[in-house]
Amino acid sequence: QKEVEQNSGPLSVPEGAIASLNCTYSDRGSQSFFWYRQYSGKSPELIMSIYSNGDKEDGRFTAQLNKASQYVSLLIRDSQPSDSATYLCAVNGPTGGFKTIFGAGTRLFVKA
Amino acid sequence: NAGVMQNPRHLVRRRGQEARLRCSPMKGHSHVYWYRQLPEEGLKFMVYLQKENIIDESGMPKERFSAEFPKEGPSILRIQQVVRGDSAAYFCASSRGQGRTKSLNNEQFFGPGTRLTVL
Repeated sequence: QKEVEQNSGPLSVPEGAIASLNCTYSDRGSQSFFWYRQYSGKSPELIMSIYSNGDKEDGRFTAQLNKASQYVSLLIRDSQPSDSATYLCAVNGPTGGFKTIFGAGTRLFVKA
Repeated sequence: NAGVMQNPRHLVRRRGQEARLRCSPMKGHSHVYWYRQLPEEGLKFMVYLQKENIIDESGMPKERFSAEFPKEGPSILRIQQVVRGDSAAYFCASSRGQGRTKSLNNEQFFGPGTRLTVL
């Protein structure tokens, strides 16, 4: 089992729709969770961090964390073509030491 | 520019040469992380450093790779005797605080990366 798993996609949604990206992790002791966006040929860009169960909203983005299910998700409302990118889920916590483990990423295409 | 800086942006080396990659963290950040990304693959953790200390190098290959973060100057990732399999994008990230803390201090911000090509 991979430490951080994401559906590789591609996930295709029409412009204006909600894009839902999912991530599961294996280390139950993980405490910090992050979503990054990476455009092709560019470096990862931090979108959101989340540390507690529940939802956290920032503009069009909502991160959701469920530690009992070891599940974290990212919702993108009113998706735009400029949101087309690879979205990386990242996790770290005490049992993982100082390492941040990244998922392989989900490719998102937003069709105009 | 207050962001994470990396240089060079592109580096070409022949097999057997040495590659030195540099990273200057964001202002106010004293924690540096190095990652490697192969084409179409995810980011792989290599090493975590604070000033003058290697905190976690569990992702570093045992041979040919080393990293440092001196008291003065940038963090350096050094690859000796490069081989074709070392060709990848190497990203540096920095954070204000420690990697295990549950706070915004452990958010990592990435530099633009160094694309290493080994001929």
